[in-house]
Amino acid sequence: GESVGLHLPTLSVQEGDNSIINCAYSNSASDYFIWYKQESGKGPQFIIDIRSNMDKRQGQRVTVLLNKTVKHLSLQIAATQPGDSAVYFCAENTDNNAGNMLTFGGGTRLMVKP
Amino acid sequence: SAVISQKPSRDICQRGTSLTIQCQVDSQVTMMFWYRQQPGQSLTLIATANQGSEATYESGFVIDKFPISRPNLTFSTLTVSNMSPEDSSIYLCSVVAPGSEAFFGQGTRLTVV
Repeated sequence: GESVGLHLPTLSVQEGDNSIINCAYSNSASDYFIWYKQESGKGPQFIIDIRSNMDKRQGQRVTVLLNKTVKHLSLQIAATQPGDSAVYFCAENTDNNAGNMLTFGGGTRLMVKP
Repeated sequence: SAVISQKPSRDICQRGTSLTIQCQVDSQVTMMFWYRQQPGQSLTLIATANQGSEATYESGFVIDKFPISRPNLTFSTLTVSNMSPEDSSIYLCSVVAPGSEAFFGQGTRLTVV
């Protein structure tokens, strides 16, 4: 069967190196941003989030940076491991008439070379 | 957090038929969301399903093609009607707490032949 991420931009890194995945968002009114990881055959899984009143947030091996001036979000993964290989999506949470909804970015496929 | 069970996990269907996808959440939620993820693409919101009211559809999606039920606060179904090969995608249900992350089911991988 087909896999998620066949036609997505790909970032290839060596195991142990740091990875940086970038995302541009569209709505200046968005106030909450999330990074998701999607492995083949699975639904997206939450990695880390950040609110618009912050410009940096750190988790375990991951850091999210938010630049509201240029509407740019990045995900940094330290010491990348083979298990980090997946497709990564950023999402912005914007209120709509039906309540909170997520708008997803195009996604980046991360490939970790052993 | 929320645990979402979605079924079937995959199916191969004949064109012209319909498939109903079920989504069960382990807690009561006000809104459930249905997404489509076409091969090699990101997630696109189909509709938002509220309990007790008609679903709200995004541009490009209509109720006749993707009827949705939301009989209670823990369950929803999405039907893909009169299927064509262009409907081959992964369909995902999701729940979101206000101003918080979304939780996703495993997805239903649909192939229409």
